[in-house]
Amino acid sequence: AQSVTQLDSHVSVSEGTPVLLRCNYSSSYSPSLFWYVQHPNKGLQLLLKYTSAATLVKGINGFEAEFKKSETSFHLTKPSAHMSDAAEYFCVVISSTSGTYKYIFGTGTRLKVLA
Amino acid sequence: ETGVTQTPRHLVMGMTNKKSLKCEQHLGHNAMYWYKQSAKKPLELMFVYSLEERVENNSVPSRFSPECPNSSHLFLHLHTLQPEDSALYLCASSQDLGGATGELFFGEGSRLTVL
Repeated sequence: AQSVTQLDSHVSVSEGTPVLLRCNYSSSYSPSLFWYVQHPNKGLQLLLKYTSAATLVKGINGFEAEFKKSETSFHLTKPSAHMSDAAEYFCVVISSTSGTYKYIFGTGTRLKVLA
Repeated sequence: ETGVTQTPRHLVMGMTNKKSLKCEQHLGHNAMYWYKQSAKKPLELMFVYSLEERVENNSVPSRFSPECPNSSHLFLHLHTLQPEDSALYLCASSQDLGGATGELFFGEGSRLTVL
């Protein structure tokens, strides 16, 4: 079965420094992977998705993620953090079992941006 | 108009009350979902509807009763809830049920507090 593991529950960075949020996946076939962002008291918004096209995926707000099959990773990065990036981030994989598809969410990484 | 709209955004109810959460999607999607998001817990899938038929019920207590009168509307009827049911309830939709690449579109959630 497919799964995702977000390696850090909390990450703190200073404004203007790079962001790295880590996600490892487990899948028996080429997975579809997503990153979602959730600001306080808001719903989840799609940042980017990988669906077996280009391995480097660019998303909204300057975020990108690279699919690395050899490392089973899909880490989210941004070159320069902004205060507005403070939020919770979820890595998601689509799991397939006997033709039924499910969205499997990671436990989330809370990003704090320090002034 | 946002793609997925949830009302009310905030709800406080006693354990003996009956209330309902409403979700409406304006995206022409065929599948709709209810998720529960509690503090320090992973996102929990509660119900899935596809073309107005319930296709998944993840062992949710009967005090939660979903209703999907058409493909654009989804309700969650609440009665005799417990304090541990206090959470953010998120509605989502997708173009179709499952599929290997489809993304979820979320509403902003209904924050429920049970006294």
